[in-house]
Amino acid sequence: NAGVTQTPKFQVLKTGQSMTLQCAQDMNHNSMYWYRQDPGMGLRLIYYSASEGTTDKGEVPNGYNVSRLNKREFSLRLESAAPSQTSVYFCASSENGRPEAFFGQGTRLTVV
Amino acid sequence: EDQVTQSPEALRLQEGESSSLNCSYTVSGLRGLFWYRQDPGKGPEFLFTLYSAGEEKEKERLKATLTKKESFLHITAPKPEDSATYLCAVRETSGSRLTFGEGTQLTVNP
Repeated sequence: NAGVTQTPKFQVLKTGQSMTLQCAQDMNHNSMYWYRQDPGMGLRLIYYSASEGTTDKGEVPNGYNVSRLNKREFSLRLESAAPSQTSVYFCASSENGRPEAFFGQGTRLTVV
Repeated sequence: EDQVTQSPEALRLQEGESSSLNCSYTVSGLRGLFWYRQDPGKGPEFLFTLYSAGEEKEKERLKATLTKKESFLHITAPKPEDSATYLCAVRETSGSRLTFGEGTQLTVNP
């Protein structure tokens, strides 16, 4: 049982480059989330998707776009990476009716 | 706006030395308070959900309690493998997101 799987685990980008972070869950959860974790800032919500076909902005959405491809997959895209987007990104999912979320192992992104 | 404050920022214990971590929260209506464990380089691992004041949950050496303003994570006779960062989060009744504290980094020395 893999749970929440994120790819890649590590990535280095140059300023202005674009990339997509992939996330898939095999728990049949309806809700999926993207968080970023920075020292001194804790985990902050970027975007979330309450169900297939819907997405909503979180606390820090600027510079990011998301796609809920199907019930299993939720991707995060950086169109033009900036050094301020250097962070560890976590995808999470939760089951409707239950408030706790389950996290992937993270993608460590460095923008130079 | 929801707020979560964890203390202390860091805690160093000797093996077997029991202690408690604190999570103070401000939320308009609490749907749930969560404790997670995070190991270096890994994602947060879910530990407990507490729903209402007076509730307690236990798992091995960990016990979480909840009041109307704070939660405690009690660690009884900790072992070195309990070393990790412990995160507290809340979800309000009308919201979809978790609001996290910055965590307490626990180190248990043998």
